[in-house]
Amino acid sequence: DAGITQSPRHKVTETGTPVTLRCHQTENHRYMYWYRQDPGHGLRLIHYSYGVKDTDKGEVSDGYSVSRSKTEDFLLTLESATSSQTSVYFCAISEIGPQETQYFGPGTRLLVL
Amino acid sequence: AQSVTQLDSQVPVFEEAPVELRCNYSSSVSVYLFWYVQYPNQGLQLLLKYLSGSTLVESINGFEAEFNKSQTSFHLRKPSVHISDTAEYFCAVSSRMDSSYKLIFGSGTRLLVRP
Repeated sequence: DAGITQSPRHKVTETGTPVTLRCHQTENHRYMYWYRQDPGHGLRLIHYSYGVKDTDKGEVSDGYSVSRSKTEDFLLTLESATSSQTSVYFCAISEIGPQETQYFGPGTRLLVL
Repeated sequence: AQSVTQLDSQVPVFEEAPVELRCNYSSSVSVYLFWYVQYPNQGLQLLLKYLSGSTLVESINGFEAEFNKSQTSFHLRKPSVHISDTAEYFCAVSSRMDSSYKLIFGSGTRLLVRP
């Protein structure tokens, strides 16, 4: 299994509070991704990174920001959590880009009350 | 823009029966095709992929998928399913958009294998 961990694994928070999710990899892969999974929508890309300090938006980036200061860590921040951001969040990594296999973390279940 | 359609949200099937999970995509220009599987309370893991070469690709646990460029399809099949195949299956298509590749997932098909 690819060495990908996510923390926390579960979180309950209140509307309006900031939340940060962490993804950590031990594979030294260049690309890292944040997805959200919602019933009926599959996985949708929030943001991705193609190197340290290099990030770009995905299809559902509004209300989210990311940072990558080290190869192994990719942080996702919900600046002011809303109930519509209740979801399961997955981090993924790949070596050379979205055209190849991505390896997924175990997910973080977030509930915004 | 690329889109991926998995028409069946749930497919119930009896153990040892054959199954086909359908996947269609919109653009056939320079695509890479994937099937991922998600077991309950886990992340996704790669089941099989088509990058180039033979249009029929197989997984180690008996699934296969065929890249059909004219039909823009990548259906997943297994001749005889097991209870342990119960999971959600996602089709994903990576295609070149502007200067980079984007990976788009379908909405998923839940395979429910009954004894």
